[in-house]
Amino acid sequence: EVQLVESGGGLVQPGGSLRLSCAASGFSFSAYAMTWVRQAPGKGLEWVSGITGGGEATYYADSVKGRFTISRDKSKKTLFLQMNSLRADDTAIFYCARVGISRTGSSSHFDYWGQGTLVTVSS
Amino acid sequence: SYVLTQPPSVSVAPGKTARITCGGNNIGSKSVHWYQQKPGQAPVLVISYDSDRPSGIPERFSGSNSGNTATLTISRVEAGDEADYYCQVWETRTDQWVFGGGTKLTVL
Repeated sequence: EVQLVESGGGLVQPGGSLRLSCAASGFSFSAYAMTWVRQAPGKGLEWVSGITGGGEATYYADSVKGRFTISRDKSKKTLFLQMNSLRADDTAIFYCARVGISRTGSSSHFDYWGQGTLVTVSS
Repeated sequence: SYVLTQPPSVSVAPGKTARITCGGNNIGSKSVHWYQQKPGQAPVLVISYDSDRPSGIPERFSGSNSGNTATLTISRVEAGDEADYYCQVWETRTDQWVFGGGTKLTVL
């Protein structure tokens, strides 16, 4: 069974840093790209960042580029999101998700999601 | 950046058909995915690649995509279908994923 469990959320002051983790199990971690998606309170989904299966390529939303860094540890089967220079508008539930692979080999949908971890940026 | 436009809300009576649209410039040339999110829960993939239904998703859910509009269709709507629905694409020009703003489906 595929499982994704996020951790590392919490309360942080503006300008501070936080590192989120997503522990993966039930699938071949290195074979799949992974991604982070966030949802501000009462708002819609916002894609944040993605990383290829081998970690050779990373992708970022314009809103977090230069402040957030995505990475992954193959041996620990864990996805990370290092968040620096946090702002109040970064307050959100952060979900990690697996980028699925279709039967034709295409890979752009998110087929499994974790339950999310809440990040609150406030003084 | 690429923009996906969804109606904020759609209402439908039980047993009827709900159609949720997702507008984007030449979206028909992209693969569109749809997610359902119920309050307090993580999103769930309900349609991938315009019209593919993942295992476990009822046949009542279907999708289409052409021109500037993709559509999620839910037939024989049930109370349990009440949720927020989001469309999503991968934008190759910027190497970014994009979500629509979401549509709240209300079952009357």
